[in-house]
Amino acid sequence: KQEVTQIPAALSVPEGENLVLNCSFTDSAIYNLQWFRQDPGKGLTSLLLIQSSQREQTSGRLNASLDKSSGRSTLYIAASQPGDSATYLCAVGGSARQLTFGSGTQLTVLP
Amino acid sequence: DTGVSQDPRHKITKRGQNVTFRCDPISEHNRLYWYRQTLGQGPEFLTYFQNEAQLEKSRLLSDRFSAERPKGSFSTLEIQRTEQGDSAMYLCAGGQGTDTQYFGPGTRLTVL
Repeated sequence: KQEVTQIPAALSVPEGENLVLNCSFTDSAIYNLQWFRQDPGKGLTSLLLIQSSQREQTSGRLNASLDKSSGRSTLYIAASQPGDSATYLCAVGGSARQLTFGSGTQLTVLP
Repeated sequence: DTGVSQDPRHKITKRGQNVTFRCDPISEHNRLYWYRQTLGQGPEFLTYFQNEAQLEKSRLLSDRFSAERPKGSFSTLEIQRTEQGDSAMYLCAGGQGTDTQYFGPGTRLTVL
């Protein structure tokens, strides 16, 4: 059974800092990995999707990497802003593309 | 805005009652997923449709739960004889092609 772990569970940083969120998974037989953002009481917003054959994806200030063999992914956020405050969820896609999620990292960016 | 809508956004019910939720993906979404999220946890997969066919169901989906997607468009998730443990956010996601899943805003269920 696939298990996804995200560390740290919570992170507080001053505005402007660069930061890294970590995600690890137990079964390397994945089809893809997706990073989401969730604001309190809201649905999920897709940030980046990495296919299993890819090593990284970039969108604006966000960069996600994937190392399938070691079961790890990182989400790098450059020049953090207060508007980046949210919970960030990592999810790995299975054979039917159903997603297995981690518990998330709650990020607070202090002005 | 992902284009995926869910109705209702909030539902409060008494234990033992039946509830039904609706999800409307965009027309291009041939895949549709249901997930359940409890406080402080990531969403957990419940079931998956490819067009109108229900292709996979999680063991979390007990016999009190049923989902349908008639005509491969909107989907409904029904919970019979609700229990307090069913209280959660129920999320629907649509997808196609590139595997990205687009989530709706969710339905928050509270069972008293």
